[in-house]
Amino acid sequence: EVQLVESGGGLVQPGGSLRLSCSASGFTFNNYAMHWVRQAPGKGLEYVSTISSYGGTTYYADSVKGRFTISRDNSKNTLYLQMSSLRAEDTAAYYCVKSDSSGWYDYWGQGTLVTVSS
Amino acid sequence: EIVMTQSPATLSVSPGERATLSCRASQSVSSNLAWYQQKPGQAPRLLIYGAFTRATGIPARFTGSGSGTEFTLTVTSLQSEDFAVYYCQQYNNWPWTFGQGTKVEVK
Repeated sequence: EVQLVESGGGLVQPGGSLRLSCSASGFTFNNYAMHWVRQAPGKGLEYVSTISSYGGTTYYADSVKGRFTISRDNSKNTLYLQMSSLRAEDTAAYYCVKSDSSGWYDYWGQGTLVTVSS
Repeated sequence: EIVMTQSPATLSVSPGERATLSCRASQSVSSNLAWYQQKPGQAPRLLIYGAFTRATGIPARFTGSGSGTEFTLTVTSLQSEDFAVYYCQQYNNWPWTFGQGTKVEVK
């Protein structure tokens, strides 16, 4: 059974930093690209970032480019999102997502809430 | 960036009736279109990929159709567990983008 378990969310002041983690199990982690998708309270889904299976290629939404860094440790089956220069508009539930090799998001974690507020 | 537009924003349907949700892409995404269902307090769940292929375990009352720029998700005979928010997503052009969602509520 595929499981994605996020951690690391919490309350952080504007301008602060936070690192999210996602522990993956139930599939061959290093065979798949992984993603972060977020959802602000009461809002829709927003793509954040992608990392290729071996970490050589990364993509970012314009809204987080230069502030967030996605990475992975395939030896630990873990995905990360390092977030810095956080803003109030980054407040959201952050989901760790596995994609099928063809692109659709087939498994989602339960999400971890990040609140940026003073 | 491809803009995905869903309509209507809210759909009021009685249990047992049919719901038809629309999703339009600002340019062709071929058949690279997925649908997700999200219930309150839960993560989204994959329903449909490739525009019409049901994901594992998804009941046959969920049907996806369309290609290019116009797509439809039909839920026949709505069950209580089907009242939720539904999102479409294109994965044809980077960045993958979502529609704003359609909430299916009890009439």
